[in-house]
This record gives sequence, C-alpha cells and structure tokens, in this order.
Amino acid sequence: DTAVSQTPKYLVTQMGNDKSIKCEQNLGHDTMYWYKQDSKKFLKIMFSYNNKELIINETVPNRFSPKSPDKAHLNLHINSLELGDSAVYFCASSSHLGTIYFGEGSWLTVV
Amino acid sequence: QKEVEQNSGPLSVPEGAIASLNCTYSDRGSQSFFWYRQYSGKSPELIMFIYSNGDKEDGRFTAQLNKASQYVSLLIRDSQPSDSATYLCAVNVGSNYQLIWGAGTKLIIKP
Repeated sequence: DTAVSQTPKYLVTQMGNDKSIKCEQNLGHDTMYWYKQDSKKFLKIMFSYNNKELIINETVPNRFSPKSPDKAHLNLHINSLELGDSAVYFCASSSHLGTIYFGEGSWLTVV
Repeated sequence: QKEVEQNSGPLSVPEGAIASLNCTYSDRGSQSFFWYRQYSGKSPELIMFIYSNGDKEDGRFTAQLNKASQYVSLLIRDSQPSDSATYLCAVNVGSNYQLIWGAGTKLIIKP
C-alpha cells in the first residue's frame, strides 16, 4: 500500500490552463505539505496543513490554491499555468516535526 | 534569511571507501536535523535524523552534529554504487513544522 499517493504522475499542459494535483496519505498523519522542486533540484515548501488548517503559506503566487477536505487529503489547484510553473510537485506528510514522507511526485510540464 | 548550505558536488568516491557529506545551517535555534536521499527521478526518502550533539549510527550511516559550529554531516561507510544519489540536508526552523532544505550534494560511487 502506498503511504502518500499523488495523481497524476505526469502532466503536460498548455499555458493558461487550470490543473489540479490530488494527494492522499494513509499514514494517519496530522500534517501535510506541498513542495516544489525545480530544475536545479532545490526543494521548496509551498504550503503546509495541520488537521485541515493552513499553517505555512510561503510566498507562492495566488494562482496556486491548496484545499484540504480532511486531514488525509491535500489537493493543489493551479490557475492560469505559466511556463515557470514547470517543476516536480511533491506531496508529503508527517506525524511530528521532520519525519516527512513524500509521495512519488507529479511532473508538471507547461508548454 | 535562514539558510542550509551544502556543496552541490558531484562528490566522487571509490567503492568501499567512506563518503563524507557536509551541511551547515544559519539558525542557531534549530533543534532537529535530517538527511534524505533522493535517487534521480524519485522522491526524497529519510535516511537519518539527529537531535543531540555527537554521533548517531545506523548501519553503514553515521550522522554527526555539532551545534556550536552549526554543522551536521553524514558519513557512509563501505560505499556501494547503490549509494549514488543526491543527499539532502534539512533543518527545522521555528515551531510550525517548517524545514529548510539544502540544495543537496550529488554523490557518485565509482566501482
């Protein structure tokens, strides 16, 4: 059983489109994250939710909107996609500080 | 700006030798330190965490922490080609579950 699963794994879309990435964890963790890893491999946190409440919201364009319907799910919706949004997006969860478990990643390519 | 710095490498080590990976951090209040391994095209996975000054050993891996020098390292003994990956250092900041990530060191183990 996959602990943190995210879909889709690969996404190719045109500029200006809106897309969503879904994430689910079955570890019973309270905290979930969205990370972005760009071509230089730098891993940057975008959002963090604890028990469905937003606790970290880094400087991310308003076009990115997370939604957590329950503590096992954290989805990411992106409006008006731009070329610079091309990256790998990782969903993750943790039960206490630092022991983070990552999903397999969603490779987003904007053309 | 709180930072975590790693040499990007690549660090080339012959098979069977000890690989030494280093990380420095800027926030003196940091309490938790983590090493993650990321294979190309895969998600990061936790190798070790360390909270106290000194050494912590787990199999072929040893994490070393020196809070006075704001320095954390990872030693890999008897390096294997399968250890070839990018190693990410992560350090907690504040009390809101946030980690700051280094850019990673690419390690190549040569047979």
